[in-house]
Amino acid sequence: GDSVTQMEGPVTLSEEAFLTINCTYTATGYPSLFWYVQYPGEGLQLLLKATKADDKGSNKGFEATYRKETTSFHLEKGSVQVSDSAVYFCALSDLIGGSEKLVFGKGTKLTVNP
Amino acid sequence: EPEVTQTPSHQVTQMGQEVILRCVPISNHLYFYWYRQILGQKVEFLVSFYNNEISEKSEIFDDQFSVERPDGSNFTLKIRSTKLEDSAMYFCASGQGNQPQHFGDGTRLSIL
Repeated sequence: GDSVTQMEGPVTLSEEAFLTINCTYTATGYPSLFWYVQYPGEGLQLLLKATKADDKGSNKGFEATYRKETTSFHLEKGSVQVSDSAVYFCALSDLIGGSEKLVFGKGTKLTVNP
Repeated sequence: EPEVTQTPSHQVTQMGQEVILRCVPISNHLYFYWYRQILGQKVEFLVSFYNNEISEKSEIFDDQFSVERPDGSNFTLKIRSTKLEDSAMYFCASGQGNQPQHFGDGTRLSIL
């Protein structure tokens, strides 16, 4: 079945450091790819998405590019802030099942220190 | 911006008891979902619901689970006889089918 693998955390960075969180996927069909973020005590919020190969999703300084050849969707940010501290989830949605359910990775906890 | 709301935020229940988790999806959404996250593990799909019926369910969603949209606004998840391993954060989500799903803040279910 479909699956998402993301780098194990936790990740601890200093403010203004460069962030990469790796994400790779396996899917039966041609999935849409997402990054969701969960701030402490809150639910899951969509951070960015990409629906086809070579699409780049971007939001709040974060970017991820849908790479079909490497089945990857790595999350990057050039300069992280303390407020970016959260858990980041990579996910895919594949229409093969018909319901567009989301399949999530395990999540990567990011802590940014001042 | 419209939100998915879930109640209660925390539910404590004795093992073997029935529990109902409630969700109010975004009003113009047509697709509804429940997910759960056991502490320290990944978010797992439980069930999707469209046009007043289940469209897909996972292996986790056994006969102890049921979903209902009783009044056109609420979307509920019922666990008939809770087990210790049902302790988790339960997330409701809604969507329009071709747009990303919007999630609620979750209900933390603790089974004693």
